[in-house]
Amino acid sequence: DAMVIQNPRYQVTQFGKPVTLSCSQTLNHNVMYWYQQKSSQAPKLLFHYYDKDFNNEADTPDNFQSRRPNTSFCFLDIRSPGLGDAAMYLCATSGRDGIYEAFFGQGTRLTVV
Amino acid sequence: AQKVTQAQTEISVVEKEDVTLDCVYETRDTTYYLFWYKQPPSGELVFLIRRNSFDEQNEISGRYSWNFQKSTSSFNFTITASQVVDSAVYFCAHEYNFNKFYFGSGTKLNVKP
Repeated sequence: DAMVIQNPRYQVTQFGKPVTLSCSQTLNHNVMYWYQQKSSQAPKLLFHYYDKDFNNEADTPDNFQSRRPNTSFCFLDIRSPGLGDAAMYLCATSGRDGIYEAFFGQGTRLTVV
Repeated sequence: AQKVTQAQTEISVVEKEDVTLDCVYETRDTTYYLFWYKQPPSGELVFLIRRNSFDEQNEISGRYSWNFQKSTSSFNFTITASQVVDSAVYFCAHEYNFNKFYFGSGTKLNVKP
């Protein structure tokens, strides 16, 4: 059974139209991450939550926001998607202190038209 | 600064051949964790192994084995008797700041029948 679930698997949005990607987990993990993975590149960390504490990477554009209303759910909001934001977005979770492996969802592939 | 280098962009082998994927890392941390993940075409990153910096013992799991050498800052991954199902992109990753994962650029492995 999938433990980190991302919806939808594929998302098409219009240039400049806000879009939200969702992630849920059944692992009760403290830490949740959002990664951006462009074609043939490594996943790049956008931000993560340690419980309710939000940690933004210094080079994450302001266009990207996140919400974590409870332990199980985390959302990625892209306020004004540009063509350069087309990518696979991966959600992951890990146990406290990060000494455990991260469990990844199957990702949401975002297309911007 | 953390850095993970996977110099092999793509490797092609014939089924049943052995193949080694290289990973070299840089870190100023004295305590750290290294990981290998597999990303099949479906997109989900699948955890393979975690190794902490204090444990340099090599590990074998079925057809998979890992060679961790702090002296050369390397954490190489060998697949013995490769199979078509091993075809995927393999990422080496370094965990830092207790919660963040920094990924190498990945090695795409093609196993041909």
